[in-house]
Amino acid sequence: GAVVSQHPSRVICKSGTSVKIECRSLDFQATTMFWYRQFPKQSLMLMATSNEGSKATYEQGVEKDKFLINHASLTLSTLTVTSAHPEDSSFYICSARDLDRNTEAFFGQGTRLTVV
Amino acid sequence: AQKVTQAQTEISVVEKEDVTLDCVYETRDTTYYLFWYKQPPSGELVFLIRRNSFDEQNEISGRYSWNFQKSTSSFNFTITASQVVDSAVYFCALSETTMEYGNKLVFGAGTILRVKS
Repeated sequence: GAVVSQHPSRVICKSGTSVKIECRSLDFQATTMFWYRQFPKQSLMLMATSNEGSKATYEQGVEKDKFLINHASLTLSTLTVTSAHPEDSSFYICSARDLDRNTEAFFGQGTRLTVV
Repeated sequence: AQKVTQAQTEISVVEKEDVTLDCVYETRDTTYYLFWYKQPPSGELVFLIRRNSFDEQNEISGRYSWNFQKSTSSFNFTITASQVVDSAVYFCALSETTMEYGNKLVFGAGTILRVKS
């Protein structure tokens, strides 16, 4: 079945540095991918919609200059957390759906980011 | 606006007990999809079921069953004869159906299920 792979699964970085998270659809093409954020013991909140070949669409309250999204190919979307701060520490998870096969949404394994 | 409410924050049961997780949703769409996902401690989201708004037939899959009631906007999930491995956070979610948005999901707050041996 369709699989979405996310990398890295865990990352620790220093304040002020940038971190890139990759989301790949392994056996289908995804013109649209979604990035969610989950704070500890809370629900998942949609951050942005990543569109292949065009700008991402950000949800209200999400800083687009802080969370850079690039969807350069039909199988890869990246989320870069720029100038990370401790409050950016969270669980980030991407999802994609195989529209050709009308599947459910598949989620990546998630990335646990800790900014120290 | 779309909204999903999971009123039960945490449920604890003893193994072999049946447990029902509640989900109530709000949407103005006439066509929509409802989902249940399981999130074990490792963090990944495991898909359990997708149901479209026109299919109110209840579904059973092994120890899992789902009761979709459009009249009360509820999509409840029951685990029969619970096991310790069922311990996880369970999320109910709702999505728009336009192809443009694909799978943009609105999640409930989640219910933590603890199954004790």
